[in-house]
Amino acid sequence: AQSVAQPEDQVNVAEGNPLTVKCTYSVSGNPYLFWYVQYPNRGLQFLLKYITGDNLVKGSYGFEAEFNKSQTSFHLKKPSALVSDSALYFCAVFSGSARQLTFGSGTQLTVLP
Amino acid sequence: KAGVTQTPRYLIKTRGQQVTLSCSPISGHRSVSWYQQTPGQGLQFLFEYFSETQRNKGNFPGRFSGRQFSNSRSEMNVSTLELGDSALYLCASSFSGAPSYEQYFGPGTRLTVT
Repeated sequence: AQSVAQPEDQVNVAEGNPLTVKCTYSVSGNPYLFWYVQYPNRGLQFLLKYITGDNLVKGSYGFEAEFNKSQTSFHLKKPSALVSDSALYFCAVFSGSARQLTFGSGTQLTVLP
Repeated sequence: KAGVTQTPRYLIKTRGQQVTLSCSPISGHRSVSWYQQTPGQGLQFLFEYFSETQRNKGNFPGRFSGRQFSNSRSEMNVSTLELGDSALYLCASSFSGAPSYEQYFGPGTRLTVT
Protein backbone atom coordinates (compact mmCIF):
# COMPACT_ATOMS: atom_id res chain seq x y z
CA ALA A 1 0.00 0.00 0.00
CA GLN A 2 1.18 3.50 -0.70
CA SER A 3 1.50 6.16 1.98
CA VAL A 4 2.72 9.69 2.53
CA ALA A 5 4.04 11.20 5.74
CA GLN A 6 4.26 14.87 6.56
CA PRO A 7 6.00 14.85 9.91
CA GLU A 8 5.27 18.46 10.84
CA ASP A 9 1.72 19.63 11.48
CA GLN A 10 2.87 23.23 11.70
CA VAL A 11 5.82 25.14 10.27
CA ASN A 12 6.50 28.75 11.17
CA VAL A 13 9.00 30.86 9.27
CA ALA A 14 9.79 34.56 9.12
CA GLU A 15 9.06 36.45 5.93
CA GLY A 16 12.09 36.54 3.68
CA ASN A 17 13.61 33.41 5.17
CA PRO A 18 13.81 30.12 3.26
CA LEU A 19 11.13 27.56 3.98
CA THR A 20 11.01 23.78 3.84
CA VAL A 21 7.96 21.55 4.21
CA LYS A 22 8.88 17.92 4.60
CA CYS A 23 7.38 14.87 2.93
CA THR A 24 8.35 11.22 2.79
CA TYR A 25 6.58 8.52 0.85
CA SER A 26 6.21 4.80 0.49
CA VAL A 27 5.08 3.22 -2.76
CA SER A 28 5.82 0.17 -4.82
CA GLY A 29 7.14 0.96 -8.24
CA ASN A 30 7.99 4.39 -9.58
CA PRO A 31 6.53 7.23 -7.54
CA TYR A 32 4.59 10.09 -9.00
CA LEU A 33 4.74 12.89 -6.45
CA PHE A 34 2.74 16.07 -6.10
CA TRP A 35 2.44 19.13 -3.91
CA TYR A 36 -0.85 20.97 -3.47
CA VAL A 37 -1.75 24.04 -1.44
CA GLN A 38 -5.09 24.83 0.16
CA TYR A 39 -6.21 28.28 1.23
CA PRO A 40 -9.11 28.68 3.68
CA ASN A 41 -12.49 27.72 2.21
CA ARG A 42 -10.88 26.81 -1.09
CA GLY A 43 -10.09 23.64 -2.95
CA LEU A 44 -6.57 22.38 -3.52
CA GLN A 45 -4.30 24.16 -5.97
CA PHE A 46 -1.59 22.28 -7.83
CA LEU A 47 1.96 23.50 -7.14
CA LEU A 48 4.30 21.02 -8.78
CA LYS A 49 4.91 17.39 -9.62
CA TYR A 50 7.70 14.88 -10.07
CA ILE A 51 7.20 12.23 -12.70
CA THR A 52 10.70 11.49 -13.90
CA GLY A 53 13.89 13.31 -14.82
CA ASP A 54 15.63 16.02 -12.82
CA ASN A 55 15.42 15.59 -9.09
CA LEU A 56 14.79 19.32 -8.59
CA VAL A 57 11.35 20.29 -9.75
CA LYS A 58 10.26 23.90 -10.12
CA GLY A 59 6.64 24.88 -9.73
CA SER A 60 4.24 27.74 -9.25
CA TYR A 61 4.79 30.83 -7.10
CA GLY A 62 8.54 30.24 -6.74
CA PHE A 63 8.20 26.87 -5.06
CA GLU A 64 10.45 23.93 -5.84
CA ALA A 65 10.82 20.41 -4.54
CA GLU A 66 13.69 17.98 -4.38
CA PHE A 67 13.10 14.32 -5.09
CA ASN A 68 15.45 12.03 -3.16
CA LYS A 69 14.98 8.39 -4.06
CA SER A 70 17.35 6.96 -1.47
CA GLN A 71 15.61 8.84 1.34
CA THR A 72 12.15 8.47 -0.25
CA SER A 73 11.58 12.17 0.32
CA PHE A 74 10.06 14.99 -1.66
CA HIS A 75 10.53 18.16 0.39
CA LEU A 76 8.95 21.42 -0.72
CA LYS A 77 11.16 24.49 -0.63
CA LYS A 78 11.12 28.20 -1.35
CA PRO A 79 14.15 30.48 -1.08
CA SER A 80 12.29 33.47 0.37
CA ALA A 81 8.91 33.08 2.10
CA LEU A 82 6.05 35.55 1.70
CA VAL A 83 3.23 36.18 4.17
CA SER A 84 0.85 35.21 1.37
CA ASP A 85 2.41 31.71 1.32
CA SER A 86 0.64 30.98 4.62
CA ALA A 87 -1.65 28.06 3.87
CA LEU A 88 -2.12 24.32 4.27
CA TYR A 89 0.25 22.24 2.15
CA PHE A 90 -0.35 18.66 1.07
CA CYS A 91 2.08 16.18 -0.38
CA ALA A 92 0.59 13.35 -2.44
CA VAL A 93 1.75 10.21 -4.21
CA PHE A 94 0.11 8.49 -7.15
CA SER A 95 0.61 4.82 -7.56
CA GLY A 96 0.03 3.31 -10.95
CA SER A 97 -1.18 0.09 -9.40
CA ALA A 98 -3.62 1.79 -7.03
CA ARG A 99 -4.61 4.43 -9.57
CA GLN A 100 -5.33 6.98 -6.89
CA LEU A 101 -3.76 9.95 -5.18
CA THR A 102 -2.85 9.34 -1.56
CA PHE A 103 -2.38 12.50 0.47
CA GLY A 104 -0.32 13.28 3.51
CA SER A 105 -1.97 14.76 6.58
CA GLY A 106 -1.00 18.29 5.60
CA THR A 107 1.34 20.91 7.03
CA GLN A 108 0.09 24.33 8.10
CA LEU A 109 2.64 26.89 7.01
CA THR A 110 2.59 30.26 8.73
CA VAL A 111 4.86 33.01 7.46
CA LEU A 112 5.34 35.69 10.06
CA PRO A 113 5.78 39.32 8.98
CA LYS B 1 -10.72 28.02 -19.39
CA ALA B 2 -13.25 27.65 -16.61
CA GLY B 3 -12.15 25.66 -13.59
CA VAL B 4 -13.84 22.79 -11.83
CA THR B 5 -17.20 23.80 -10.42
CA GLN B 6 -19.10 22.11 -7.63
CA THR B 7 -22.66 22.65 -6.53
CA PRO B 8 -23.96 23.32 -4.04
CA ARG B 9 -21.16 24.94 -2.05
CA TYR B 10 -22.85 24.39 1.29
CA LEU B 11 -25.43 21.87 2.40
CA ILE B 12 -27.11 21.03 5.68
CA LYS B 13 -28.90 17.70 6.03
CA THR B 14 -30.25 15.60 8.86
CA ARG B 15 -29.31 12.06 9.73
CA GLY B 16 -30.97 9.44 7.58
CA GLN B 17 -31.47 11.71 4.61
CA GLN B 18 -29.64 11.36 1.33
CA VAL B 19 -27.71 13.95 -0.62
CA THR B 20 -26.46 14.43 -4.17
CA LEU B 21 -23.45 16.58 -4.99
CA SER B 22 -22.53 17.73 -8.47
CA CYS B 23 -19.23 18.38 -10.19
CA SER B 24 -18.50 19.88 -13.60
CA PRO B 25 -14.93 19.21 -14.75
CA ILE B 26 -12.69 21.40 -16.82
CA SER B 27 -13.67 21.26 -20.46
CA GLY B 28 -11.89 18.37 -22.17
CA HIS B 29 -11.16 16.49 -18.96
CA ARG B 30 -12.59 13.00 -18.89
CA SER B 31 -11.48 11.80 -15.48
CA VAL B 32 -13.28 12.92 -12.33
CA SER B 33 -12.24 11.91 -8.84
CA TRP B 34 -13.96 12.57 -5.53
CA TYR B 35 -12.34 13.06 -2.14
CA GLN B 36 -13.62 13.51 1.39
CA GLN B 37 -11.75 15.93 3.63
CA THR B 38 -12.23 15.90 7.41
CA PRO B 39 -10.06 17.24 10.23
CA GLY B 40 -9.62 13.78 11.69
CA GLN B 41 -9.07 11.65 8.61
CA GLY B 42 -7.60 14.21 6.24
CA LEU B 43 -8.09 13.76 2.50
CA GLN B 44 -9.44 10.38 1.51
CA PHE B 45 -10.11 9.08 -1.98
CA LEU B 46 -13.69 8.08 -2.68
CA PHE B 47 -13.79 7.04 -6.35
CA GLU B 48 -12.74 7.93 -9.85
CA TYR B 49 -14.79 7.96 -13.03
CA PHE B 50 -13.56 7.96 -16.60
CA SER B 51 -15.80 7.90 -19.65
CA GLU B 52 -18.85 7.13 -17.52
CA THR B 53 -17.18 4.13 -15.86
CA GLN B 54 -15.99 3.83 -12.30
CA ARG B 55 -12.34 2.90 -12.58
CA ASN B 56 -11.34 2.89 -8.96
CA LYS B 57 -12.97 3.04 -5.56
CA GLY B 58 -11.65 3.91 -2.14
CA ASN B 59 -12.46 2.29 1.15
CA PHE B 60 -15.89 3.76 1.81
CA PRO B 61 -19.20 2.00 2.53
CA GLY B 62 -21.72 1.36 -0.18
CA ARG B 63 -23.77 4.35 0.98
CA PHE B 64 -21.35 6.41 -1.07
CA SER B 65 -21.92 6.12 -4.78
CA GLY B 66 -21.36 8.13 -7.89
CA ARG B 67 -21.85 8.36 -11.58
CA GLN B 68 -20.55 10.20 -14.58
CA PHE B 69 -22.48 11.46 -17.54
CA SER B 70 -21.52 11.55 -21.20
CA ASN B 71 -20.45 15.19 -20.88
CA SER B 72 -18.04 14.14 -18.08
CA ARG B 73 -20.09 15.86 -15.39
CA SER B 74 -20.23 13.75 -12.27
CA GLU B 75 -22.47 13.34 -9.27
CA MET B 76 -21.92 11.62 -5.99
CA ASN B 77 -24.66 10.43 -3.72
CA VAL B 78 -24.60 9.61 -0.05
CA SER B 79 -27.58 7.74 1.31
CA THR B 80 -28.69 7.33 4.91
CA LEU B 81 -26.49 10.15 6.12
CA GLU B 82 -24.60 9.80 9.37
CA LEU B 83 -23.09 12.52 11.55
CA GLY B 84 -19.63 11.31 10.52
CA ASP B 85 -20.36 12.15 6.90
CA SER B 86 -19.98 15.83 7.72
CA ALA B 87 -17.02 16.90 5.62
CA LEU B 88 -15.74 18.92 2.72
CA TYR B 89 -16.27 16.92 -0.46
CA LEU B 90 -13.82 17.77 -3.19
CA CYS B 91 -14.05 16.92 -6.83
CA ALA B 92 -10.99 16.88 -9.08
CA SER B 93 -10.72 16.59 -12.82
CA SER B 94 -7.88 15.42 -14.99
CA PHE B 95 -7.38 14.95 -18.71
CA SER B 96 -7.06 11.21 -18.42
CA GLY B 97 -6.43 10.24 -14.83
CA ALA B 98 -2.89 9.17 -15.65
CA PRO B 99 -0.30 10.45 -13.19
CA SER B 100 1.43 12.60 -15.78
CA TYR B 101 -1.67 14.78 -15.80
CA GLU B 102 -2.23 16.65 -12.56
CA GLN B 103 -5.65 16.85 -10.99
CA TYR B 104 -7.45 20.17 -10.74
CA PHE B 105 -9.71 20.59 -7.74
CA GLY B 106 -12.98 22.38 -7.33
CA PRO B 107 -13.80 24.56 -4.30
CA GLY B 108 -15.67 21.73 -2.62
CA THR B 109 -19.09 21.19 -1.11
CA ARG B 110 -19.28 21.61 2.64
CA LEU B 111 -21.78 19.05 3.96
CA THR B 112 -23.04 19.32 7.50
CA VAL B 113 -25.14 16.49 8.91
CA THR B 114 -27.19 17.28 12.02
